[in-house]
Amino acid sequence: GENVEQHPSTLSVQEGDSAVIKCTYSDSASNYFPWYKQELGKRPQLIIDIRSNVGEKKDQRIAVTLNKTAKHFSLHITETQPEDSAVYFCAATRGGGSGNTGKLIFGQGTTLQVKP
Amino acid sequence: GAVVSQHPSWVICKSGTSVKIECRSLDFQATTMFWYRQFPKQSLMLMATSNEGSKATYEQGVEKDKFLINHASLTLSTLTVTSAHPEDSSFYICSARVSNTEAFFGQGTRLTVV
Repeated sequence: GENVEQHPSTLSVQEGDSAVIKCTYSDSASNYFPWYKQELGKRPQLIIDIRSNVGEKKDQRIAVTLNKTAKHFSLHITETQPEDSAVYFCAATRGGGSGNTGKLIFGQGTTLQVKP
Repeated sequence: GAVVSQHPSWVICKSGTSVKIECRSLDFQATTMFWYRQFPKQSLMLMATSNEGSKATYEQGVEKDKFLINHASLTLSTLTVTSAHPEDSSFYICSARVSNTEAFFGQGTRLTVV
């Protein structure tokens, strides 16, 4: 089955700096890679996602890159702000339909601290 | 986006009792829902895939007789933790996907077994 590895487990940056979180996956058939932000005691919130037919996607200060050959994808947050502090999870899935359940497998999580 | 509602948000139960958690898709039909468990400062671990009208598919290491899943309609899946013990205390969260789009999560249920 799919296995997702995420690094680092903790990341501390100064406000305004960039933050990068990296994930690798094992299932070459995975084709959908979302990133979630989770605050304590709350549900994960989707912040950006990428499909296997593109290599990069950007949404304001957040970007995700995907290298299918190497089976890794990364989250980039620029101009970090204190409110970006949270736990971030990457995930991977084959997608739904055609006999696939579309179950998401999560990385271990990264606790991001942005210091004012 | 689609809305997934989970109930209750938190529950405290005595050791040996059973607890039922409900997960509803409010504005879409979900033939498949997923149940995750999250221990403090850890990731979301997939427990099982809930399939409408058929048996759930459990991940390796998850006891199907302890974590009963029922998906009787296209908008409701339930997870029953039977004979709960303190080690079952955790954050349980459900999710559903609409086709190949993003997954939508319930609010989660904080279970404390005393």
